[in-house]
Amino acid sequence: TQLLEQSPQFLSIQEGENLTVYCNSSSVFSSLQWYRQEPGEGPVLLVTVVTGGEVKKLKRLTFQFGDARKDSSLHITAAQPGDTGLYLCDGALNFGKGTSLLVTP
Amino acid sequence: NAGVMQNPRHLVRRRGQEARLRCSPMKGHSHVYWYRQLPEEGLKFMVYLQKENIIDESGMPKERFSAEFPKEGPSILRIQQVVRGDSAAYFCASSEGLSYEQYFGPGTRLTVT
Repeated sequence: TQLLEQSPQFLSIQEGENLTVYCNSSSVFSSLQWYRQEPGEGPVLLVTVVTGGEVKKLKRLTFQFGDARKDSSLHITAAQPGDTGLYLCDGALNFGKGTSLLVTP
Repeated sequence: NAGVMQNPRHLVRRRGQEARLRCSPMKGHSHVYWYRQLPEEGLKFMVYLQKENIIDESGMPKERFSAEFPKEGPSILRIQQVVRGDSAAYFCASSEGLSYEQYFGPGTRLTVT
């Protein structure tokens, strides 16, 4: 099993702040997926990163895949309450435990 | 387009009963995945199926759990003789082909009393 470690586990910030969450592993992945899950719902796919060093942007969210394809980060600019949720990274059907983000007005 | 559908959304069973969870993939998707989620453990892969075939069941408990994806109809996750430790949210996901990009259903929350 290829383990994915996500940090921080919990994050509480105010609206307008920036934040970065991390997904790390000792294994190399052909791709990593990021999902967001809201309470009582299933995860929703945000992005797939494939190439080492790749950067993808989705509005205020910036995803980066590490050069060695072992880690990834998600940066959110000017967080909004609608960004609240559990952010999960997934490599080869192995999910990290997620970062639970709370953005307060 | 309808997304992945799961039913029931909530299921209560007494210890020893059987639980049947259903999953209808997105239209055009022939690959189905089942996961179990517990607050302390995160989302855990159970089984990956294509139509009429189990491709990977490495995450499935050896006893009491089974899954199928028949040629016609939804995928079924079956748990026999449920115990309290089976209480969890069970999610189904589907993909168009062999892909790690999955589309999840809303989940079935199983409570064993």
